[in-house]
Amino acid sequence: DSGVTQTPKHLITATGQRVTLRCSPRSGDLSVYWYQQSLDQGLQFLIHYYNGEERAKGNILERFSAQQFPDLHSELNLSSLELGDSALYFCASSPDWNTEAFFGQGTRLTVV
Amino acid sequence: GESVGLHLPTLSVQEGDNSIINCAYSNSASDYFIWYKQESGKGPQFIIDIRSNMDKRQGQRVTVLLNKTVKHLSLQIAATQPGDSAVYFCAENRNAGNMLTFGGGTRLMVKP
Repeated sequence: DSGVTQTPKHLITATGQRVTLRCSPRSGDLSVYWYQQSLDQGLQFLIHYYNGEERAKGNILERFSAQQFPDLHSELNLSSLELGDSALYFCASSPDWNTEAFFGQGTRLTVV
Repeated sequence: GESVGLHLPTLSVQEGDNSIINCAYSNSASDYFIWYKQESGKGPQFIIDIRSNMDKRQGQRVTVLLNKTVKHLSLQIAATQPGDSAVYFCAENRNAGNMLTFGGGTRLMVKP
């Protein structure tokens, strides 16, 4: 158990809908990273937050947004969902921004 | 564009043999590298890391080698066991540590 908690574990929703994925980092970790993992794309970096502030953006679609709250948990919001958004979404946390990151078990999103 | 990549998508080894998984990176500004192991249905698990001021680091049954001249990273697993069967990813920290970018992964299969 990495100490990073992601909810829900599984999510099935229809195209056009909006979902929110939640991540609780390890106790004391200030950094939260979000990744998307699909079969043909590997692990794609989406976004990084550090202590509530956005630090870096990767290939994150405009339909996607994230935030990190004062208690350091983070949410990834996915809207206007498309079939191609079906993937595993992982959150990782680390104490700082240039140290090892520990991953949660992921949320499997299926868009039908 | 710059990327982290793996030479071999699948590596099959006999139980008890040593395994070597390779990774090439192209961003000379990256200064921190991590190897992750991902088992089916689970999130990536931290194995070992190395900073650019080192060329070798050892853990329990694992060794990471970094060759900055040719921008090459390798993970050596000694006495490979069936439990080592998984997909292995290398990752590099870019953008002053704010982006952890993953390679495409290598599947390690251990034959009993």
